[in-house]
Amino acid sequence: KNEVEQSPQNLTAQEGEFITINCSYSVGISALHWLQQHPGGGIVSLFMLSSGKKKHGRLIATINIQEKHSSLHITASHPRDSAVYICAAQGGSSGDKLTFGTGTRLAVRP
Amino acid sequence: DSGVTQTPKHLITATGQRVTLRCSPRSGDLSVYWYQQSLDQGLQFLIQYYNGEERAKGNILERFSAQQFPDLHSELNLSSLELGDSALYFCASSPRGRETQYFGPGTRLLVL
Repeated sequence: KNEVEQSPQNLTAQEGEFITINCSYSVGISALHWLQQHPGGGIVSLFMLSSGKKKHGRLIATINIQEKHSSLHITASHPRDSAVYICAAQGGSSGDKLTFGTGTRLAVRP
Repeated sequence: DSGVTQTPKHLITATGQRVTLRCSPRSGDLSVYWYQQSLDQGLQFLIQYYNGEERAKGNILERFSAQQFPDLHSELNLSSLELGDSALYFCASSPRGRETQYFGPGTRLLVL
């Protein structure tokens, strides 16, 4: 069993829909990261969370430390949001390094 | 632009060869991480350096080695290359350790 699990693996949405991607982890962590990987391969850090909720534009990330669960929400989705979204756990026995989920491939159709 | 640079962007080589991938972290960042992304394994941590010293080691093969120089740039050396080493290699940097990591654009390695 992977230490970091994501669901769904693939997601197709219509433009304007509200999207939720889930991430569960089985290890103690100090932070949970959400990353976006563009079709060209580049990786951008979206959020780093240790508790509660963060918002940036149309993106919202939440974390529940007790349940070892985090969600990434995209409001009013747009075709430019099409990418792979990856959650990654940091801290605990893993130290500073990131342990990655397998990613969620999102396609938003116009 | 994350401020992290990696060279080269693409590399095509043959089995058995040796290559060096270079990473320059963001100005002032002391930590450098190397990650490998292959189709069947996803993103995997290889190794971390902090201010010139190795801090953590992950799933790095013995054929691979890395170092961080006094100017904080880092190099990942891959030797006796095999077909399975074909992957995207990313480096990332952070100011010290447990903070946001900034990823470079990656080096795409193809071993033929």
